[in-house]
Amino acid sequence: EVQLVESGGGLVQPGGSLRLSCAASGFTFSSYEMNWVRQAPGKGLEWVSYISSSGSTIYYADSVKGRFTISRDNAKNSLYLQMNSLRAEDTAVYYCARVPSGPLLDYWGQGTLVTVSS
Amino acid sequence: DIQMTQSPSSVSASVGDRVTITCRASQGISSWLAWYQQKPGKAPKLLIYAASSLQSGVPSRFSGSGSGTDFTLTISSLQPEDFATYYCQQANSFPLITFGQGTRLEIK
Repeated sequence: EVQLVESGGGLVQPGGSLRLSCAASGFTFSSYEMNWVRQAPGKGLEWVSYISSSGSTIYYADSVKGRFTISRDNAKNSLYLQMNSLRAEDTAVYYCARVPSGPLLDYWGQGTLVTVSS
Repeated sequence: DIQMTQSPSSVSASVGDRVTITCRASQGISSWLAWYQQKPGKAPKLLIYAASSLQSGVPSRFSGSGSGTDFTLTISSLQPEDFATYYCQQANSFPLITFGQGTRLEIK
């Protein structure tokens, strides 16, 4: 069974940093591209970042470019999102999601809540 | 950037009704469109990909159609478990994907 489990969320002050993790199991993690998608409270879905299966290709949404860094450790079956210079508007549930053979997201984790507030 | 606009933003319907949700892209995206269902407090679930292909395990009462800029998600006979929020997602510029703003399907 495919499982994605996010962790690392919490309350952080504006300007602070947080590192999210996504632990993958039930599939060959190193063969799949991955994404982070977020959802602000009561709002819609916003794509945040993409990483290729090898980690060699990375993309970011303009809203987080220069502040967030996506990475992965295929030996540990884990995906990461380092978030720096956090702002109130970064408050959201952050989901990791798998990319199958096509351009879509077929499995999502349960999400981890990040709250940026003083 | 490709913008996705869903309509309506919310809809009320009864069990057994047929419901259609529309998604319009700001430019042509061929058939690079997916639909997701999200229930409160849960992660989104993939329903439809490539505009009209049903994801494995999704009931056949869900169907998708369209190409270019205009797409629809149809639920042929609403079941109690279908009341949720639905999102479209363009994949034409993958991996730079964008979602519609969502359509909330409520019980009448």
